Amino acid sequence: AQSVAQPEDQVNVAEGNPLTVKCTYSVSGNPYLFWYVQYPNRGLQFLLKYITGDNLVKGSYGFEAEFNKSQTSFHLKKPSALVSDSALYFCAVRPFLSGGYNKLIFGAGTRLAVHP
Amino acid sequence: DSGVTQTPKHLITATGQRVTLRCSPRSGDLSVYWYQQSLDQGLQFLIHYYNGEERAKGNILERFSAQQFPDLHSELNLSSLELGDSALYFCASSATRMNTEAFFGQGTRLTVV
Repeated sequence: AQSVAQPEDQVNVAEGNPLTVKCTYSVSGNPYLFWYVQYPNRGLQFLLKYITGDNLVKGSYGFEAEFNKSQTSFHLKKPSALVSDSALYFCAVRPFLSGGYNKLIFGAGTRLAVHP
Repeated sequence: DSGVTQTPKHLITATGQRVTLRCSPRSGDLSVYWYQQSLDQGLQFLIHYYNGEERAKGNILERFSAQQFPDLHSELNLSSLELGDSALYFCASSATRMNTEAFFGQGTRLTVV
């Protein structure tokens, strides 16, 4: 079965420290991987994606993610966290054989809390 | 602003009733997707329409249906509502290219009382 796992319900980090939000996936074929962020009472905002190429992808608001095929992981990272980064983060995968359509499989989400 | 518009933002209705949620995709996007976000099920894919035709179904109940109109806007119809249908319903749209992402609307929060 195809799935996405975000093993941490919540990640706490102090402002200015680096942050990592973990994601692992299980899909057939080569996946397309995405990170989205959801602020309170808002929709999901796209952060970054991995399609092919360089394993380190850079996205919005200083976030980046590292694709690791052998570990089937796509962890979200930021070198220096801001209080304003506090939100709910979702990892998502689009199976390669989805025909180019964004039928996404989402992880359960990880709540990031950045403390001053 | 993602460019995807959903109305209404909030909806409160009674059990057994029927509601319609509306979505206008980003200009030029032919694909519209509906997702349901609930506390117990997380974010679940419901259905996908491409240029007016249904392309994929996910965990969508038989009481739910959707359509996409010639102007590409889409409606999600929820009928015989139950308390458990209370959730945030998102619409997303995307272009039809392999390397593109989906853009989400702000959602419709449905409360069934």
